[in-house]
Amino acid sequence: DSGVTQTPKHLITATGQRVTLRCSPRSGDLSVYWYQQSLDQGLQFLIQYYNGEERAKGNILERFSAQQFPDLHSELNLSSLELGDSALYFCASSVGSGQETQYFGPGTRLLVL
Amino acid sequence: GENVEQHPSTLSVQEGDSAVIKCTYSDSASNYFPWYKQELGKGPQLIIDIRSNVGEKKDQRIAVTLNKTAKHFSLHITETQPEDSAVYFCAASGGSYIPTFGRGTSLIVHP
Repeated sequence: DSGVTQTPKHLITATGQRVTLRCSPRSGDLSVYWYQQSLDQGLQFLIQYYNGEERAKGNILERFSAQQFPDLHSELNLSSLELGDSALYFCASSVGSGQETQYFGPGTRLLVL
Repeated sequence: GENVEQHPSTLSVQEGDSAVIKCTYSDSASNYFPWYKQELGKGPQLIIDIRSNVGEKKDQRIAVTLNKTAKHFSLHITETQPEDSAVYFCAASGGSYIPTFGRGTSLIVHP
């Protein structure tokens, strides 16, 4: 158990809908990272927050957004969902914002029908 | 940006044999190379990492080697056990601190 929690574990929704994925980092970790894992693209970095502020942005679509709250939990919002958004979404956390160990949560499996 | 190539995509070994997974990277500024193990239904977990100021690092049955000149690094697992069966990912990061991951290697250890 990494100490990072993600909810829900599974999510099934329809095209055009909006969903919110939630992540709670390990106690004491200030950085949260979001990744998308699909069979054809591998593990892709989406976005990083550090202590409530956006720190780095990767291959995140404009339909996706995220935020980190004062209690350091984070939410990833996916809107206007398409079939191709079906994937595993992982959250990871680390103590700071540098090259530290990232601890991954168990992931949320999203299926868009 | 950084590009990480990982080979092989699948590796099948007998219990007790050694397994080697190789990665190459493109950005000479990369200086941190973690390896993750992902078991079925779980998130990736760090198993070992190496920084560019060392050439080799060992932790019990696993070791990682780094050749900065050739821009490649490798994971070595000795005396493999069935519980080593998983998907292994290499990654590289540099100035941006955000790791770029390889596509993964599915390791199957046959009892």
